[in-house]
Amino acid sequence: GAVVSQHPSWVICKSGTSVKIECRSLDFQATTMFWYRQFPKQSLMLMATSNEGSKATYEQGVEKDKFLINHASLTLSTLTVTSAHPEDSSFYICSAEPGQSQETQYFGPGTRLLVL
Amino acid sequence: DAKTTQPTSMDCAEGRAANLPCNHSTISGNEYVYWYRQIHSQGPQYIIHGLKNNETNEMASLIITEDRKSSTLILPHATLRDTAVYYCIVRVPWGAAGNKLTFGGGTRVLVKP
Repeated sequence: GAVVSQHPSWVICKSGTSVKIECRSLDFQATTMFWYRQFPKQSLMLMATSNEGSKATYEQGVEKDKFLINHASLTLSTLTVTSAHPEDSSFYICSAEPGQSQETQYFGPGTRLLVL
Repeated sequence: DAKTTQPTSMDCAEGRAANLPCNHSTISGNEYVYWYRQIHSQGPQYIIHGLKNNETNEMASLIITEDRKSSTLILPHATLRDTAVYYCIVRVPWGAAGNKLTFGGGTRVLVKP
């Protein structure tokens, strides 16, 4: 089956620093990748849709200048949390879809971010 | 996207079939029903999807009512490793509004020995 990886799996950083999270599709090309955030005991919330070669589309209420998304290739998308604060501590999950069909999205294992 | 309604939680006995219901009464004719599950502290895992017909794969079976207003995910022989939150999602067709998956609260399934 299709495999999506994320790196790092967990990260602890100081308030005010920036953190970059990578999402890779290992055995397929993904024109579109998605970034989700999940707070404890809550469901996944879509943050943005990442399109290869173009600007990401952000969901309402998600600050595009704080959560920088780059989708430079068909197998890699990155999410950078800039000037992180404790309230940004969360579980960040990416997903990728193989192509233009009803085929499903495949999810990465997630990255747990703790901002001190 | 059509909204889905699922029970908040349910317990299942190990080795028995687990039947997870989902209501999607506002589903439109070209929307698919998808099921994912999320084991604690992991990313969601795709289980199965369908449009009108019942579907079966190595993980589960999906039964969709004739009017498509509800569906049931069946785990034929639940194991302790099936303990997870199960999400029923109705999805817009490709290209109509992106390919978003909108996650609701899901059903927290606890498989007991």
